[in-house]
Amino acid sequence: DGGITQSPKYLFRKEGQNVTLSCEQNLNHDAMYWYRQDPGQGLRLIYYSQIVNDFQKGDIAEGYSVSREKKESFPLTVTSAQKNPTAFYLCASAETGLNTEAFFGQGTRLTVV
Amino acid sequence: AQRVTQPEKLLSVFKGAPVELKCNYSYSGSPELFWYVQYSRQRLQLLLRHISRESIKGFTADLNKGETSFHLKKPFAQEEDSAMYYCALSPLSNTGKLIFGQGTTLQVKP
Repeated sequence: DGGITQSPKYLFRKEGQNVTLSCEQNLNHDAMYWYRQDPGQGLRLIYYSQIVNDFQKGDIAEGYSVSREKKESFPLTVTSAQKNPTAFYLCASAETGLNTEAFFGQGTRLTVV
Repeated sequence: AQRVTQPEKLLSVFKGAPVELKCNYSYSGSPELFWYVQYSRQRLQLLLRHISRESIKGFTADLNKGETSFHLKKPFAQEEDSAMYYCALSPLSNTGKLIFGQGTTLQVKP
């Protein structure tokens, strides 16, 4: 079954702890994205990667880090430096080039207590 | 700055009424523009893209470069159209970047 998988669906962490969200795709897409979704603010781009071993900051990268060691995987670490980490996180992938469709995961809801 | 603005958080219409979801963008070059939709309990998915000039599920969207707008329209709304709609922009200068608006919830009442 092809697609993009995020895990876990729900994640609880204590304040001050780093936490890593998983995103895996088997669509053979070069590009991958991480978005944060907050009520009334839509999807805000955290990081994106167009190729293995390369990634760029999005609009709200502070307090987050990513890696792209494999084409299939693009994990997101929410660090203790992120001031307001409780949110819904969406991962997506797409072919690179013009006019391509992005495919989304089901999302991970992170709650920091 | 590259930005997508959807001014309405919620749009509520009756079944059979026309629908227009507004999208304005800020980008100095020629962008690629998309509409994505998220139905209840489903993943966010592509609805249509401006380059294709297609009609999907009765929805159309026209790029107006003068007004920097890409409004989504449907002449007769159906209850199954109720969903969250996002307008998105990909700069031609950086096709790896994909920027979304705040989203508009469309509620179609019977």
